[in-house]
Amino acid sequence: GAGVSQSPSNKVTEKGKDVELRCDPISGHTALYWYRQSLGQGLEFLIYFQGNSAPDKSGLPSDRFSAERTGGSVSTLTIQRTQQEDSAVYLCASSLAVVPRNSPLHFGNGTRLTVT
Amino acid sequence: AQTVTQSQPEMSVQEAETVTLSCTYDTSESDYYLFWYKQPPSRQMILVIRQEAYKQQNATENRFSVNFQKAAKSFSLKISDSQLGDAAMYFCAYRSSNSGGSNYKLTFGKGTLLTVNP
Repeated sequence: GAGVSQSPSNKVTEKGKDVELRCDPISGHTALYWYRQSLGQGLEFLIYFQGNSAPDKSGLPSDRFSAERTGGSVSTLTIQRTQQEDSAVYLCASSLAVVPRNSPLHFGNGTRLTVT
Repeated sequence: AQTVTQSQPEMSVQEAETVTLSCTYDTSESDYYLFWYKQPPSRQMILVIRQEAYKQQNATENRFSVNFQKAAKSFSLKISDSQLGDAAMYFCAYRSSNSGGSNYKLTFGKGTLLTVNP
C-alpha cells in the first residue's frame, strides 16, 4: 500500500475484554514500531520489530500487552483484560531499516482505543 | 536516558506571520538525530524536518527551518508565512545514533498545539 495502514480506526471496548489492533506497514519496510499516545502526553515507545523478531519489548506496560509480526509484514498488538488506563491512541510506524538512523518513520493514522 | 522537553503546550500565530516552537533535550551523547513531527487531526504523524547533530548548518525545508544550538541542547522550529494548514500538534523527537543501545527508538516531547488564526 501507499502508507502504513492501521485498523480499526476507533475501538470502544468494555473493561476486561481483549482487543487486537492491526498494523500493515509499507511494503518492504523491515522495521516496525508501536507507540502509545495518551491524552496530553507525547508518544511512548512500546515495542520494535526487525523482521519478525522483537529485540526490545521493554516498553510494553504490563504482561497484558503482547505483539507479534508475521511474514515480516503485518503486526498485531493484543491487549488482554483491558483496563481504563489503556485508553489511548496506539500508533504504528515502519521504516525501511534501522540504519541509516536518520531515516524517517512513516506513521499510520493510529487506533483510538476507549475502554469503558 | 534522553529526555525531550517542549515548554509551550500551546501557541498561536496569525496567518502569514512567523512562529517559533521551542524544544530542548538532555543527552550525554555527542552524535544523534533530531526531528520535528506534525500531527494534524487525522492523527498521522508527518515528518516536517530532521537534523543530524554532527552538521552545524541548520536544516531547512521550504517554510520550515530549525535553530539547532548543540551546546545549549536546543532545537527550535521556525514556521514562516504560516498557513491555515499548519495548524496541528508539533512534536520534537530525539534518536540516538549509537550502534549499540536503543538507537531505534524515538524519544518524543509532549507536543505543542499550534493554532493558526485567519
